Amino acid sequence: GAGVSQSPSNKVTEKGKDVELRCDPISGHTALYWYRQSLGQGLEFLIYFQGNSAPDKSGLPSDRFSAERTGGSVSTLTIQRTQQEDSAVYLCASSLVTGDHNEQFFGPGTRLTVL
Amino acid sequence: SQKIEQNSEALNIQEGKTATLTCNYTNYSPAYLQWYRQDPGRGPVFLLLIRENEKEKRKERLKVTFDTTLKQSLFHITASQPADSATYLCALVGTGTASKLTFGTGTRLQVTL
Repeated sequence: GAGVSQSPSNKVTEKGKDVELRCDPISGHTALYWYRQSLGQGLEFLIYFQGNSAPDKSGLPSDRFSAERTGGSVSTLTIQRTQQEDSAVYLCASSLVTGDHNEQFFGPGTRLTVL
Repeated sequence: SQKIEQNSEALNIQEGKTATLTCNYTNYSPAYLQWYRQDPGRGPVFLLLIRENEKEKRKERLKVTFDTTLKQSLFHITASQPADSATYLCALVGTGTASKLTFGTGTRLQVTL
């Protein structure tokens, strides 16, 4: 595809359930990022994958959050035992990391609502 | 602590005027700074990048300045149009942080006829 895609676009779940959010980055982009954006807030960094390096997980808010990137392409963000405060838009971005230029291309996001 | 501040109040301007948005930061030594546009229900879209050794960068009706002494970037849209209405986010990469961006909360711009 031409851009970053995310699925599902909307997810409504009950408190305590697990959810999986998917991101398909732009083909050939070596870097992939997950962010969270709550209503009226800026983007909160969650996790960063770069090639085969160990991911930077410094933004994950709790051990209920985890992410994988298989084969250097598709990524899945998993939230276990969801809480109401997890409700937000989860955005994925990818970039072609060359030199110091890091333009990030964002997907449309997944809107997660925890009831 | 590190902080990136953008005016949380919406900026309302008349069509044809120049819009100026501000991004201030503290306790960062950014290698470069980026500006993104975000429309409702969509992910941010990259607009411009300016490096720490650059004072000004232009792209069509957009101009960005970067003052590392004041720790401030200004984002200008000249001859603004209603289609420019959106939220504008600044983002920083610190020196040696390997491409990890930190975003401000954004400023909403509303251009009216």
